[in-house]
Amino acid sequence: AQSVTQLGSHVSVSEGALVLLRCNYSSSVPPYLFWYVQYPNQGLQLLLKYTTGATLVKGINGFEAEFKKSETSFHLTKPSAHMSDAAEYFCAVRGPNFGNEKLTFGTGTRLTIIP
Amino acid sequence: DAGVTQSPTHLIKTRGQQVTLRCSPKSGHDTVSWYQQALGQGPQFIFQYYEEEERQRGNFPDRFSGHQFPNYSSELNVNALLLGDSALYLCASSPGPVLSSYNEQFFGPGTRLTVL
Repeated sequence: AQSVTQLGSHVSVSEGALVLLRCNYSSSVPPYLFWYVQYPNQGLQLLLKYTTGATLVKGINGFEAEFKKSETSFHLTKPSAHMSDAAEYFCAVRGPNFGNEKLTFGTGTRLTIIP
Repeated sequence: DAGVTQSPTHLIKTRGQQVTLRCSPKSGHDTVSWYQQALGQGPQFIFQYYEEEERQRGNFPDRFSGHQFPNYSSELNVNALLLGDSALYLCASSPGPVLSSYNEQFFGPGTRLTVL
């Protein structure tokens, strides 16, 4: 079984400040990890993903995340927040094998940017 | 490329009714997954279709059923609607097994179902 826990259902940061959204996972197999963003009344957009290889992955809109196996974490960061980053962010995990591709999502973190 | 499209965008039904939601995958994708996102929650996996077969299923009752057509489009059917079925239903498509090691799921905008 796989699961993710997102710490903090709401995070507020000032414009220009560091964004840090936390995600811890549990998986009995090597995980594939994802961060998705959801804007109001829209579907999910992939920000970045970790499958294998380099543990620091860069995504769209200046976001990046680091896979830390020892800490079972996959935290999302952005050096400088922009007003357009205000949205709901979801961490998700799946197994690596064909036929086991269901995504298991966390409960989400709502990011608010303070002008 | 139109991406993943879903219809309708909004739907209002009453308890006990049946509903059908539709999804067209992104061009080149042959696998379709359905998720239910209740208000304030993360999406929950319902099931996945590949080669017109249900390949994987989440923890949802048999009232939830689906179908995939030869053109890879898909339908989600829900029978005997309950108030708790009110949610955003998301469809996601992905490429087939050749790229499965690195595939990602592309999501549609969703169908907002309200059950009264």
